[in-house]
Amino acid sequence: EVQLVESGGGLVQPGRSLRLSCAASGFSFSDYWMHWVRQAPGKGLVWVSRISPDGSRTDYADSVKGRFTISRDNAKNTLYLQMNSLTAEDTAVYYCARGDNRVPGIDYWGQGTLVTVSS
Amino acid sequence: DIQMTQSPSSLSASVGDRVTITCRASQTFNNYLNWYQQKPGKAPKLLIYAASSLQTGVPSRFSGSGSGTDFTLTISSLQPEDFATYYCQQSDSVPHTFGQGTKLESK
Repeated sequence: EVQLVESGGGLVQPGRSLRLSCAASGFSFSDYWMHWVRQAPGKGLVWVSRISPDGSRTDYADSVKGRFTISRDNAKNTLYLQMNSLTAEDTAVYYCARGDNRVPGIDYWGQGTLVTVSS
Repeated sequence: DIQMTQSPSSLSASVGDRVTITCRASQTFNNYLNWYQQKPGKAPKLLIYAASSLQTGVPSRFSGSGSGTDFTLTISSLQPEDFATYYCQQSDSVPHTFGQGTKLESK
């Protein structure tokens, strides 16, 4: 069974940093693209970033480019999102998601971790 | 960036109804169009990938169609567990943009 468990969310002050983690199990982690998607309270889904299976390629939404860094440790089956210079607009539930190996896209999602940026 | 626009934004329907949700893209792309269902407080769930392929385990009352810029999700006979919010997403080019969502409510 595919499992994705996010951690690291919480309350953080504007301008500070936070690192999210996503522990993956139930599949061969190193074979899959991985994504982060966020959802502000009461709002829709917003794609944030993705990383290739070997970590050599990364892509970002313009809204986080230069502030967020996606990375992975295939030996630990763990995905990360380093978030710097946080603003109130980054307040959201952050979902870790597995890329679909059949076509580009997402097939499984974690339950999400809430990040609240507030003074 | 490819912008995705869903219609309607909300929809009231009854159990047994046939429901159609539309997703329109701002430009043509390969048919990497996905549909997700999200219930309150839960993670999204993949229903349809590549515009018309049914994800394993998803009931056959869900179907997807379309190409180019216009795509649809159809629920042939609405069931009580189908009341949720539905999102389309294009995954052809980065950023993999989502539609704004369609909230399906009980009439």
